Amino acid sequence: EDQVTQSPEALRLQEGESSSLNCSYTVSGLRGLFWYRQDPGKGPEFLFTLYSAGEEKEKERLKATLTKKESFLHITAPKPEDSATYLCATTSGTYKYIFGTGTRLKVLA
Amino acid sequence: KAGVTQTPRYLIKTRGQQVTLSCSPISGHRSVSWYQQTPGQGLQFLFEYFSETQRNKGNFPGRFSGRQFSNSRSEMNVSTLELGDSALYLCASSLGDNTGELFFGEGSRLTVL
Repeated sequence: EDQVTQSPEALRLQEGESSSLNCSYTVSGLRGLFWYRQDPGKGPEFLFTLYSAGEEKEKERLKATLTKKESFLHITAPKPEDSATYLCATTSGTYKYIFGTGTRLKVLA
Repeated sequence: KAGVTQTPRYLIKTRGQQVTLSCSPISGHRSVSWYQQTPGQGLQFLFEYFSETQRNKGNFPGRFSGRQFSNSRSEMNVSTLELGDSALYLCASSLGDNTGELFFGEGSRLTVL
């Protein structure tokens, strides 16, 4: 069964303290690995798509990487406005996307 | 470019009632999918529609149903509401090519009393 597991569940960082979020996946025939950001009371906002192992994408302080079994979202020198829940999701080509339960990130000023 | 629009944003119902939620996708997107989000379970897939056809369905009881219209707008219906149906219902639109990103609306927050 396709599965996505994210860790840690919650993470508190000081402003400027870099860290990484993990997304482990078990998918038969990965067609895409996606990262989303979700603010309280809002729908998820798309960040990145990764399609193959070794691929990397960057946006401001965020960098996503992909291996054959997991993806990492690296946050460099985070700011309080980066506080949110970060979700990863995969699809195996069945028009169904499997989401992890997310990492709740809190960045303290 | 307008985003995904969901209505209503908030609603309160009592057990046994039914509810209909609406979703207007991004212009040009023919795929609409629905997800239920709860604190314990995260986002759970309900169903996906493309050009008025349901292409996949999640593991939810038959009380949950949906449809898509010729203009790509979609509705989902939940009948005989239960307390456990309280959740944020999210609609996502995409090109429907099975590998692309999903674009989400802000959701409909359903509370069942």
